[in-house]
Amino acid sequence: EVQLVESGGSLVQPGGSLRLSCAASGFSFSSYEMNWVRQAPGKGLEWVSYISGGGTTIFYADSLKGRFTISRDNAKNSLYLQMNSLRAEDTAIYYCARRYCSSSNCLLDYWGQGTLVTVSS
Amino acid sequence: EIVLTQSPDFQSVTPKEKVTITCRASQSIGSSLHWYQQKPDQSPKLLIKYASQSFSGVPSRFSGSGSGTDFTLTINSLEAEDAATYYCHQSTSLPWTFGQGTKVEIK
Repeated sequence: EVQLVESGGSLVQPGGSLRLSCAASGFSFSSYEMNWVRQAPGKGLEWVSYISGGGTTIFYADSLKGRFTISRDNAKNSLYLQMNSLRAEDTAIYYCARRYCSSSNCLLDYWGQGTLVTVSS
Repeated sequence: EIVLTQSPDFQSVTPKEKVTITCRASQSIGSSLHWYQQKPDQSPKLLIKYASQSFSGVPSRFSGSGSGTDFTLTINSLEAEDAATYYCHQSTSLPWTFGQGTKVEIK
């Protein structure tokens, strides 16, 4: 059974930093691309970042402006999101999601339960 | 950026009624359109992949259709457990985007 379990969310002051983790199990982690998607309170879904299976290809949403860094440790079956210079508008539930591809057509098939990041003084 | 526009934003429906939600893309995305269901305080769950293929374990009352720019999610004979917000999502072109969501309420 595919399982994704996020952790690391908490209350942080504006300008602060936080590192989110996502522990994966039930599948060959290194074979899958992974993503972070966030959801502000009462709002819709926003894609945040992508990382390839080997960690060599990375993409970010333009709105992040270099403040976030995605990484992975395949030996530990873990995905990370380092978040710096946090702003109130970064307040959201952060989900990790597995990306499944079939003949170059891809989608996000499994999601974790999410971890809440609150940026407030 | 490909913008996905869903309609309606909200729908209040009686059990056993049919529900139709549409998603329009700002440019053609072929069949790379997927539907998710998000129940309150839960993470999104994949319902329909590649516009019309049901994901594993999804009840047969859920179906999808469309291609290019216009897509539809249909729930036949709505059940109480289907109360949720439904999102469409495109994974063709970065940044990957989602529709704004359609909340389905049970009357």
